[in-house]
Amino acid sequence: KQEVTQIPAALSVPEGENLVLNCSFTDSAIYNLQWFRQDPGKGLTSLLLIQSSQREQTSGRLNASLDKSSGRSTLYIAASQPGDSATYLCAVESSNDYKLSFGAGTTVTVRA
Amino acid sequence: DAGVTQSPTHLIKTRGQQVTLRCSPKSGHDTVSWYQQALGQGPQFIFQYYEEEERQRGNFPDRFSGHQFPNYSSELNVNALLLGDSALYLCASSYDRAGELFFGEGSRLTVL
Repeated sequence: KQEVTQIPAALSVPEGENLVLNCSFTDSAIYNLQWFRQDPGKGLTSLLLIQSSQREQTSGRLNASLDKSSGRSTLYIAASQPGDSATYLCAVESSNDYKLSFGAGTTVTVRA
Repeated sequence: DAGVTQSPTHLIKTRGQQVTLRCSPKSGHDTVSWYQQALGQGPQFIFQYYEEEERQRGNFPDRFSGHQFPNYSSELNVNALLLGDSALYLCASSYDRAGELFFGEGSRLTVL
């Protein structure tokens, strides 16, 4: 069974600092990995999708890397802003059954 | 282009009752997945519908059932509600089983 872990569970940074969010998974048989953002009480917004054959994806201030062999992904957010405050979730899609397994998320607070 | 829409947004039920939640996928998407998200947790996969059939199922009891219609919209039904069923229920759509997921805003169910 795929286990997805996100550490830390929460972090608080001053505005302008770079953010580094970590995601680890136990089964390397993945089809893709997706990072999501969730605002309180809301649905999930897709940020980046990395296929298993890719090493990284970039969108604006966001960059996500994937090391499938070691079971790790990292989401970097450059020059953080108060509007980046949210919970960030990573999800791994199994290549065996296409089921998506989520981590519990990292809650980010960016202080103005 | 409308994204994934869910209804109702909030509802309150009592133990033992039944509930139906509805989801319309993003235009062009043919696959609908349902997730349950308890407070402070990552979403848990309930099941996935493709071509009007349940193709994958997570570890949820038979009290959770669903349906997909010819227009790709979907319903989630939960019978004999328990207090522990209180959660945010999220619908996600994709093109094909393993495509990028797009989520709706969710239906917040409270069971008293």
